[in-house]
Formats: sequence, C-alpha cells, structure tokens
Amino acid sequence: DIQMTQSPSSLSASVGDRVAITCRASQTINRSLNWYQQKPGKAPKLLITSASRLQSGVPPRFSGSGSGTDFTLTISSLQPEDFATYHCQQSYGTPYNFGQGTKVEIK
Amino acid sequence: EVQLVQSGTEVKKPGESLRIFCKGSGYKFASYWVAWVRQMPGKGLEWMGIIYAGDSDTRYSPAFQGQVTMSIDKSVSTAYLQWNRLKASDTAIYYCARSSGFLDHWGQGSLVTVSS
Repeated sequence: DIQMTQSPSSLSASVGDRVAITCRASQTINRSLNWYQQKPGKAPKLLITSASRLQSGVPPRFSGSGSGTDFTLTISSLQPEDFATYHCQQSYGTPYNFGQGTKVEIK
Repeated sequence: EVQLVQSGTEVKKPGESLRIFCKGSGYKFASYWVAWVRQMPGKGLEWMGIIYAGDSDTRYSPAFQGQVTMSIDKSVSTAYLQWNRLKASDTAIYYCARSSGFLDHWGQGSLVTVSS
C-alpha cells in the first residue's frame, strides 16, 4: 500500500496569510494526487486533481504543485471561508489512501 | 446535477447487521465506480474501497477486506455497504462518492453508531 503523510497536522494563520500544506507519498505516484477541503459537519469537497488541476469553481488562490513523492497545496491569501481541514489522496494505485489531514485554524 | 443521497442515521448494538445505501442520480450510474470512505469521530478520511456500478467489480482496502461488503443494484442506481456483525469500533460517518480515482461528488454521509 502507498502511505500518505501530510504536514503539518494543524496550523494557525491569519486572514491574508500565505499557507502551504505538504503531502508525501511512500513511493512515487507521478502526479496522481488530489486535494480536498472539509468543513465541520460537511462532506469533503474536491479542490485539485492530478497535483495541480483546479476544479471548476475553486478560487484561484488555491494551487497545487509537485510530482513523484512530494506535493504542496498553497493558499495564496487565506480567506475566512478557507478555515477547514485539508486532505490529500493518491489515486495511483489501490487502495487510494488519504493523508491524515491538516486543520487550518484562525490565529 | 450529479447527486448522491445516502441513508440516514443508524443506531445499532454490537453483533447486529446493517446495510446502508447510496443512491446516485444526474449521471450515468453504471459508467462509474462508487467509493466508500470512513471517518471515525474526530479523525481523518479512510478509503475503504470501490465498486464498479456496471459489473460490480470490487477493490477493497486490505484494512476493510472481510469486514464489510460492497454491492450494487444498478437497476435502481444504488450502492450498498453492509456489515454482518457490527462492532463498537465501526462507529463512524460513512461517505459514498463517485470515483474516477479522485472523488468528485460525495453523499452527505451516513452516521452509524454502535453501542450496547
């Protein structure tokens, strides 16, 4: 199985800050990496596929980068509605495991 | 509009059986995989497995193989997740999602509580 490790587990930031979350795979997954946003009590929402492809309707302040084993989700200017938990997921080979999540909290 | 609608909250006792459902609409149900994802209280997302709605081909995560059964009734565009003998540790929210590897549309989640 491919294991996914996110860091940090949580972070505190202010509105307007630039935030970066990393995700590392235990073996190469090319660019088969997806990012989700989850707000409390809600189902996750797909943000980015194939490491950097923004889903329709997702604000351009979100971006993804990386390939192989190391990936980054960046929020260029944090907005109040961005406080949530972010999950990475590999879709290179089953089981399509998730990372453990990163909670972005208000400072 | 693509929608996945799941069954509601369940409260069960250890050892009981349970089947929850996920009904798809707004897309060609039989052409996609359906994924099941577990979220235990206060924890992250766990990929349980996927089932192809066209022919019921199923891929389980090793962590869930033998613990649950996924099935499909494509005549009613519905996926099912079943337990034969629930344990307290099965207490969680279970999500279904349309899968193309990534999960682009999600159900609202089904809360399953197992307690004596």
